[in-house]
This record gives sequence, structure tokens and C-alpha cells, in this order.
Amino acid sequence: AQTVTQSQPEMSVQEAETVTLSCTYDTSESDYYLFWYKQPPSRQMILVIRQEAYKQQNATENRFSVNFQKAAKSFSLKISDSQLGDAAMYFCARIYGGATNKLIFGTGTLLAVQP
Amino acid sequence: DGGITQSPKYLFRKEGQNVTLSCEQNLNHDAMYWYRQDPGQGLRLIYYSQIVNDFQKGDIAEGYSVSREKKESFPLTVTSAQKNPTAFYLCASRDRGRWSGANVLTFGAGSRLTVL
Repeated sequence: AQTVTQSQPEMSVQEAETVTLSCTYDTSESDYYLFWYKQPPSRQMILVIRQEAYKQQNATENRFSVNFQKAAKSFSLKISDSQLGDAAMYFCARIYGGATNKLIFGTGTLLAVQP
Repeated sequence: DGGITQSPKYLFRKEGQNVTLSCEQNLNHDAMYWYRQDPGQGLRLIYYSQIVNDFQKGDIAEGYSVSREKKESFPLTVTSAQKNPTAFYLCASRDRGRWSGANVLTFGAGSRLTVL
């Protein structure tokens, strides 16, 4: 079965500190995309960052970066200089299915940011 | 502004009734998706459509139906056969092109369905 696993149901970080959210996945494909989405209390899903599996360089978007370990099938998200607005549910996701390009999600990590 | 509009935002249904959730996008995206979100289970795929007049079942399609008569519209009907329909429903669309922003799902704001 194609799965995405987030082993941390909840995390907490102090404002201005750094936190890392973990994600592992299962795949038999060599080319695919990985994503982190953020869902704040408004429940609107917002793309945080995207990684293409054929690229060795880790993606970065301002304070957000990933550690992509293809052989280990690991895709963690690092949030630097955490801000109160970063508090949200974070979902790791992967496209699979070749031409069908279905996106499957992990169960999410709820991040709290302490002032 | 381009985006995805879901309606209604909140919906209440009595047991045995069918309800239809609307999803409209003006992003000119080919592919559209419906996900269901329950606490502790992330998002699960109900149905998806890659082109007009074509759609496929996702992982939890039982008790749901869809249509794709127009590129911009992908309504979801929750039928009385769905045993536990109370959930948050998210519609999304995707550009299938080859440019750098492709393969990113854009989501609507969601619809909350409660069965009384």
C-alpha cells in the first residue's frame, strides 16, 4: 500500500526557535513529488513547500526547508525562527499513481508555538 | 482572483437524505479532486477527475457520486448510502502542465457536513 507516515501527532516550539517535523513514505516509483501543506484553524490548506524527487538539492522557502533523504524515503520539514502564525496542522503528502497523479496525505502533525 | 469556491460552508442533513456539495474553479485546471477529512485520519481521496466527462474512484468512494460536465465544476453528492457522512470535505484542483508550478494542488475553503 502507498502510505505516508507522520509519527508526531503533536509538536511544540518556542517562538524564534527551530522545529523539525518528520515524514516517511512508501513508494516503488523513482520520480515523484513531495509536499508539505499547512492547515491553520481556518482549515484552508496552504502549500508550504514542494520537493521533486529527481532533484538532489533540498527545497527551501524562506524560513521553511526540507531534508529529503530519497534512499531512506524520508522528507522532514524544518521551520526556523518560528512565529506564532506558524501554529497549524502540517500535512506531508506525496503524489503517486503515474498518470493519475493522486495525492496521498499523512495524518498530520499539530504544531503549537509558545510565546 | 483565481481560486476554488466551495459551497455551502456548513450543511446539515437528516439521515436518509442526499446532499450535493458544490466546487467551482476558475483556474483553468484540468484535474479536480474531492477529499474527506476526519480527526486523526488526515485527508482521504473520494473521487478525482482528470478531464471533463471522466472521473475515477479514490480510496473511499462508497456512498458518494460525482459528475464532471464542465471543466470548472466538480460537484460531490453524498448519498444516503454513506454510513458516516459527518466530516469536513475539501475540493482541490491541479494544473497538469509541465511548468514549475504544476502538480501542486490548490484547495477550496472546505464544506462542513453534519448529519443530524
